[in-house]
Amino acid sequence: GAGVSQSPSNKVTEKGKDVELRCDPISGHTALYWYRQSLGQGLEFLIYFQGNSAPDKSGLPSDRFSAERTGGSVSTLTIQRTQQEDSAVYLCASSLGIYQGVEAFFGQGTRLTVV
Amino acid sequence: GQQLNQSPQSMFIQEGEDVSMNCTSSSIFNTWLWYKQDPGEGPVLLIALYKAGELTSNGRLTAQFGITRKDSFLNISASIPSDVGIYFCAGQGSTSGTYKYIFGTGTRLKVLA
Repeated sequence: GAGVSQSPSNKVTEKGKDVELRCDPISGHTALYWYRQSLGQGLEFLIYFQGNSAPDKSGLPSDRFSAERTGGSVSTLTIQRTQQEDSAVYLCASSLGIYQGVEAFFGQGTRLTVV
Repeated sequence: GQQLNQSPQSMFIQEGEDVSMNCTSSSIFNTWLWYKQDPGEGPVLLIALYKAGELTSNGRLTAQFGITRKDSFLNISASIPSDVGIYFCAGQGSTSGTYKYIFGTGTRLKVLA
C-alpha cells in the first residue's frame, strides 16, 4: 500500500486477555519499528526489525510483550495477559533500511484500552 | 525508556509569529528527524537532517543539525492556525551503533488566530 497500515485502529480488551496488533509496512521497506505512546506522552521505543537480522528487543517492557515479523513484511505485536497500564496508542513505522539517514514513516496507530 | 529533552514543553503564539523549539541529547546522533503529530494521528515526518551543521528548509520550516551532534532545533516562520499540534524530534544512529529512533518529549504548539 501507499503508507504504513495498522489494524485494528481501536481495540478494547478485558484485563488478562491477550491481544494482537498488526502492522503492514510500506512495500519495499526492510526496517520496521514498534513504539508505544501513552496519553499526552512521547514515543517509547519497543522493538525494531531489519531484514533477517535478530530484532532489537531492548524496549519491550516485560516478557508479556513479543513481536514477530513474517516474511520480512507484516509484523504482529502480541501482548499477553494485558494490564491496565498497557493502555496506550501503539505505533508502527517502517523505513527503507537501518543505515543512518533513512527516514521512518508512521502508521495511524492502534489505540488499545484495557478495562 | 530513553527520551530526548525537548523545549519548550508547550507554547501559545499569535498567528503570524515565528516559533522556535529545540532538542538536546547526552548522546551523539548521526540523523535528526522532526515530526508533527495531530490528535488521533500518527507522526508525520517534516524534515530530516543527516550532517552536523546542516541547515534544511521545508516551506516555512527550517531545522538545523547541531555541530556537536547532540542537539537540533526547528523554526516555524509566520505561523498559521494549522501549525497547531505536537512536534517531536527524533535522533538515530548513536556511536553505540543502535538504529532505533529515540524521540523527544514533544512541544505542544497552540496558535491563536
